[in-house]
Amino acid sequence: EVQLVESGGGLVQPGGSLRLSCAASGITFSSYWMHWVRQAPGKGLVWVSRINTDGSSTSYADSVKGRFTISRDNAKNTLYLQMNSLRAEDTAVYYCARDWGLYYWGQGTLVTVSS
Amino acid sequence: QLVLTQSPSASASLGASVKLTCTLSSRHSSYAIAWHQQQPEKGPRYLMKVNSDGSHSKGDGIPDRFSGSSSGAERYLTISSLQSEDEADYYCQTWDTDVVFGGGTKLTVL
Repeated sequence: EVQLVESGGGLVQPGGSLRLSCAASGITFSSYWMHWVRQAPGKGLVWVSRINTDGSSTSYADSVKGRFTISRDNAKNTLYLQMNSLRAEDTAVYYCARDWGLYYWGQGTLVTVSS
Repeated sequence: QLVLTQSPSASASLGASVKLTCTLSSRHSSYAIAWHQQQPEKGPRYLMKVNSDGSHSKGDGIPDRFSGSSSGAERYLTISSLQSEDEADYYCQTWDTDVVFGGGTKLTVL
């Protein structure tokens, strides 16, 4: 059974940092591109970032470029999202998802940016 | 620019059928898309990928009531024999260098 489990969310003050993790099981993690997608309260899904299989290629939405960094550890079957200089508008549930068609999703982790 | 357009809302009666539409920007009319379902207070779930020729491949455990089709730049999700648990938000999604989402359609089952 494929499982993606996010963790690391929480309450953080504006300007602060958080690192999200996404632990994968039931898949050959190193074979798949991975994505982060977020959803602000009451809003739609928004793509955040993606990374290729070996971590050598990454891409970001304009809204997070220069503040967020995606990475992966294939030995640990884990995807990461380092979030710096957080803003109120980054408040959202963050999901990881597998491959370009987002064929599997995690359950999400809530990030709240507030003073 | 790669854009997906969805109607914000749709409704249909319990036991009836409904067809949701996702329209690709005209220059990208050959692209495949994926449909995702998000039930209230839950995370998204992949339903199926729909290709430009109308063929589709469903995710694990997706009932036969869900099917996909295509016409030109439009991609469709048809749900037959509507059940109460089908009331959800439905998002279409595609990709080229990055992932793109439609705005989502909120389906109400009457």
